[in-house]
Amino acid sequence: GQQLNQSPQSMFIQEGEDVSMNCTSSSIFNTWLWYKQDPGEGPVLLIALYKAGELTSNGRLTAQFGITRKDSFLNISASIPSDVGIYFCAGRFSGGGADGLTFGKGTHLIIQP
Amino acid sequence: DSGVTQTPKHLITATGQRVTLRCSPRSGDLSVYWYQQSLDQGLQFLIQYYNGEERAKGNILERFSAQQFPDLHSELNLSSLELGDSALYFCASNPLRDTSDLGTQYFGPGTRLLVL
Repeated sequence: GQQLNQSPQSMFIQEGEDVSMNCTSSSIFNTWLWYKQDPGEGPVLLIALYKAGELTSNGRLTAQFGITRKDSFLNISASIPSDVGIYFCAGRFSGGGADGLTFGKGTHLIIQP
Repeated sequence: DSGVTQTPKHLITATGQRVTLRCSPRSGDLSVYWYQQSLDQGLQFLIQYYNGEERAKGNILERFSAQQFPDLHSELNLSSLELGDSALYFCASNPLRDTSDLGTQYFGPGTRLLVL
C-alpha cells in the first residue's frame, strides 16, 4: 500500500526560528494536505494542495506540492509558542473521492523557551 | 471547531464487549470517513460512506462495521473488543458532491476508547 515518510520525527527549536518539515511518498498523489493536531484534539486542516508545483501560504505557513507529485514540504516562519503540536502530512490519490487519506507518522514540534 | 461532532468523547469498556461510536458530519457534507489513531500505527483510514452507501474500505477489521443513516450521521460499531483496539477514533467529512471533489477532509474531536 501507499506509505508516507515524514521527517523529521521531532524538532526542538527556539521561539522565533523557522521550521521546515517534509513528506515523501512511494506513490503519486493528487492532493496533499497538512494538518496540526493538539493533544486530545482532532487534526485541524492547515493547508491543502491540489496541483503539482503549487505553492500555498496560510499566514506564517507555506507548503508546496512537489513536481513529481511524490513529495510535499511545510515551512513555518518565526515560530511562536502556539505552534507546538504534531504536524501531519496526508495524501490522497483516488479521483472521485472514493478513498481515504494516507497519513505520515507526524512531526512533533517542541519550542524551547 | 470543524463542525464535525463525535460522541462519546471517552469510552471505557472490557475485552469482548461491543461499542458504538457516533459521528455527525458538517452541515451539508455527504461523505463520512472513519480513522483509527494508535501510537504504533498512527492515523489509519478505516472506511468511507457517501450518502448512505459504503464507498471505500481501508484497514478495517471484520469485527468492525459502520453505517451512514438518511440524516447523514454515521456510526462505527466495534465488537469482540481486544486490548489492541484501544485508540482514538476520528470521524471526518467533506462535501463530495461530484467528481471534482479534491479530497479536503475536516476532522471531529475524536472518541478515545480504552479496552481493559
